[in-house]
Amino acid sequence: QKEVEQDPGPLSVPEGAIVSLNCTYSNSAFQYFMWYRQYSRKGPELLMYTYSSGNKEDGRFTAQVDKSSKYISLFIRDSQPSDSATYLCAMEMGAGNMLTFGGGTRLMVKP
Amino acid sequence: GAGVSQSPSNKVTEKGKDVELRCDPISGHTALYWYRQSLGQGLEFLIYFQGNSAPDKSGLPSDRFSAERTGGSVSTLTIQRTQQEDSAVYLCASSQPTGGYTEAFFGQGTRLTVV
Repeated sequence: QKEVEQDPGPLSVPEGAIVSLNCTYSNSAFQYFMWYRQYSRKGPELLMYTYSSGNKEDGRFTAQVDKSSKYISLFIRDSQPSDSATYLCAMEMGAGNMLTFGGGTRLMVKP
Repeated sequence: GAGVSQSPSNKVTEKGKDVELRCDPISGHTALYWYRQSLGQGLEFLIYFQGNSAPDKSGLPSDRFSAERTGGSVSTLTIQRTQQEDSAVYLCASSQPTGGYTEAFFGQGTRLTVV
């Protein structure tokens, strides 16, 4: 079993929908949780990060961490066709430790 | 250069041939990662270098795969006796630990096609 699990999708939603992307993990030592976005034929880029449990909001994006359930989520409000990409979660135990990525979820937002 | 550079961007090779993929990380970044990405498998970890420590090779799928990092900078991923299932995009990332979270910076990838 992988340390970080992520549904590969694809997830197809209509424009304007609320999108929920999720990851589960097994290592309770993870403290930093990140979401990366990858457009087609590009490398992933950092979208958001969260430390420990709780929520963090950035515009239409909300990152949520539930350490008790070992479950993290990324919510996208009012989704746009430009949000179509692969979203990867990543986590680490702390600075200097290896980043561990999920496999990524491919999201398609239809106009 | 400002970012992570990978070469070649595309590589077509015949089954059974060896290939070398190159990664130039961001200057000063001590950590370097190699990943493989395909539609069916998603992002797969291959190998991790951190400073002068022994690399974490736990993701390498077989002994046909090897990687080295010379002088703590440039890295080369070598695939010997390539197979069709090796066809994928190979991504390199580098990072520099800070006091908080670590941001990984990715290259554009090398698209490998084995025919």
